[in-house]
This record gives sequence, C-alpha cells and structure tokens, in this order.
Amino acid sequence: DQQVKQNSPSLSVQEGRISILNCDYTNSMFDYFLWYKKYPAEGPTFLISISSIKDKNEDGRFTVFLNKSAKHLSLHIVPSQPGDSAVYFCAARSRAAGNKLTFGGGTRVLVKP
Amino acid sequence: DADVTQTPRNRITKTGKRIMLECSQTKGHDRMYWYRQDPGLGLQLIYYSFDVKDINKGEISDGYSVSRQAQAKFSLSLESAIPNQTALYFCATSKGAGEQFFGPGTRLTVL
Repeated sequence: DQQVKQNSPSLSVQEGRISILNCDYTNSMFDYFLWYKKYPAEGPTFLISISSIKDKNEDGRFTVFLNKSAKHLSLHIVPSQPGDSAVYFCAARSRAAGNKLTFGGGTRVLVKP
Repeated sequence: DADVTQTPRNRITKTGKRIMLECSQTKGHDRMYWYRQDPGLGLQLIYYSFDVKDINKGEISDGYSVSRQAQAKFSLSLESAIPNQTALYFCATSKGAGEQFFGPGTRLTVL
C-alpha cells in the first residue's frame, strides 16, 4: 500500500503558466515533506521542502503548500519554463521511522514553449 | 566532478548471475542509501547505512545484500539476479537526516 501517492502521472502546461503538482499521503507520522526533480539519465535533485509545522514554503518560482488535515501537499511552479520539464517526485519522512524517505510515483511535467 | 558516482551506469546480465553495483561519494556524508525505481512506483528503499557499522533493511531488501566498505563506499549485490530486478538503481547520501543527494543511477536489465 503506497503511503505517498501522486495521482497524476503527467501534466502538460504552457510556458509562462502555472504548474500545480499534487501529492497525498496516508501516514500521519510524516513530519517533513520534500519535492525532488529528475531529468532523464540523472538522479533526482532536491527542489524544495516543508516541515509539518508550516503550511507554506516559497523559494523563487517554487512554492509548496501543506494541508495537514487533508494529508495533502502541492507544488506550484510559476511561471513555468521549458527547463522545468522533468519528473517530479513527492517524498515524506518521519523522525519516528529514522527519517527514511517514502516516495510517490512521480509526475512527468512537460512545459510547452 | 560528481559528488556521488555509480558504476556501472548500464548493465545487462542473465538470470542467476551475481552482480554488484557500486557507489562512491566525496561529500563526506555519513549516511548512504540504495533505492530502485520502477515505472509508476517512484523510488523504493532497498538498504540504508547510517555509518560503516550500521546497515539496515529497507522496504524491499529481499534478493539484495549490501556492503559498506568505507564511509565513502556502499555497494549493492544481487546474489542471483532475476528478471523482476530489472530496474533503475540509485545510490544516495546524506549528512545525518539532512537532504539526500543522489547518484546518476544504474540501469540494470536481467534477461
């Protein structure tokens, strides 16, 4: 049973518009959430994170929102750029589980020029 | 130079063969991890090591073993490879519970 789910396997967006990626989790012990970005033939790279004590974290064009009551987080990219085309993974961890990361299945984003 | 390197980058092997994937890091991190990626399932943790003398099983350790030869080296072995171990394998490192840094991956095909 997947504890972290990304229900949209792919997303297509026009350059300059907003990309919204969603992630749901089931384990209420998760206390830290991360987004990773992955280009083909490369390993995932860290993008942005949020602690469970916050509901929003912003870094440039990237903002992550956390809704603990709904066990839902989202990543907003605005404005989207062609270089943002990649696979995005949501991940979660809990201190109680030794800070191991649990990943979602990924969402492939295509930004069209 | 890459901070986390994996060798080989690609490998094709036959069922029943023993194979070793190697990971090296120059980041000086204490923790190292092995993941596999299958389409639609994201990354699943195979094994992780908090230091040279601390090895732990992850979610999907069956059929795999690991060795932490030094702080900078963490190898993954498939004692007798089977086709459903065909996947993309990633090594990662972290300093304590901090951000994990991933290697470029090894694409393994078991025929």
